[in-house]
Amino acid sequence: NAGVTQTPKFRVLKTGQSMTLLCAQDMNHEYMYWYRQDPGMGLRLIHYSVGEGTTAKGEVPDGYNVSRLKKQNFLLGLESAAPSQTSVYFCASSSLEEQYFGPGTRLTVT
Amino acid sequence: DQQVKQNSPSLSVQEGRISILNCDYTNSMFDYFLWYKKYPAEGPTFLISISSIKDKNEDGRFTVFLNKSAKHLSLHIVPSQPGDSAVYFCAATHGGATNKLIFGTGTLLAVQP
Repeated sequence: NAGVTQTPKFRVLKTGQSMTLLCAQDMNHEYMYWYRQDPGMGLRLIHYSVGEGTTAKGEVPDGYNVSRLKKQNFLLGLESAAPSQTSVYFCASSSLEEQYFGPGTRLTVT
Repeated sequence: DQQVKQNSPSLSVQEGRISILNCDYTNSMFDYFLWYKKYPAEGPTFLISISSIKDKNEDGRFTVFLNKSAKHLSLHIVPSQPGDSAVYFCAATHGGATNKLIFGTGTLLAVQP
């Protein structure tokens, strides 16, 4: 079991560029989440999904889009990156209350 | 509007002593609380949880206490070990179909040998 994996681990973007972060889980979990972690801010929920084909907004959804076409994958997209989106992004999945996290993607937008 | 607060950004403790990490919450609807541990360059990992129907849950060296009237929970680590040095996040949720967690800002624990 790989658990939750994230691709890529690091990325540098220029303002206005787009990219997609991929999250994959092999635990057959229904729920998946995308968070961002910023210094002094803890983890903040961007978007989440309660099942294949569903997505919903979290606390800080602006500037991001998501898709859950397959149960095991949850994609996070940035259509036009901004410096304010420089952060560490974590994906998580869960079946009950406990969430399992991936190792994170460090994104820098210059 | 921070619903889950960890007011101590950092804590330093000697090896073998007790570490106490604190967390306060404002939403009385929260009924399940979790602690996560995070090492640098890794994702958070689940440590221990407690339901609002209990006031204490213990797992080895880790004990979580919940005081519902004060809307306060704490994580006790006894004895503390250098490998416990990490950032600790508390999180809360309330019953529902989304299992959304609200995280605190984290406390960096440093256990000195």
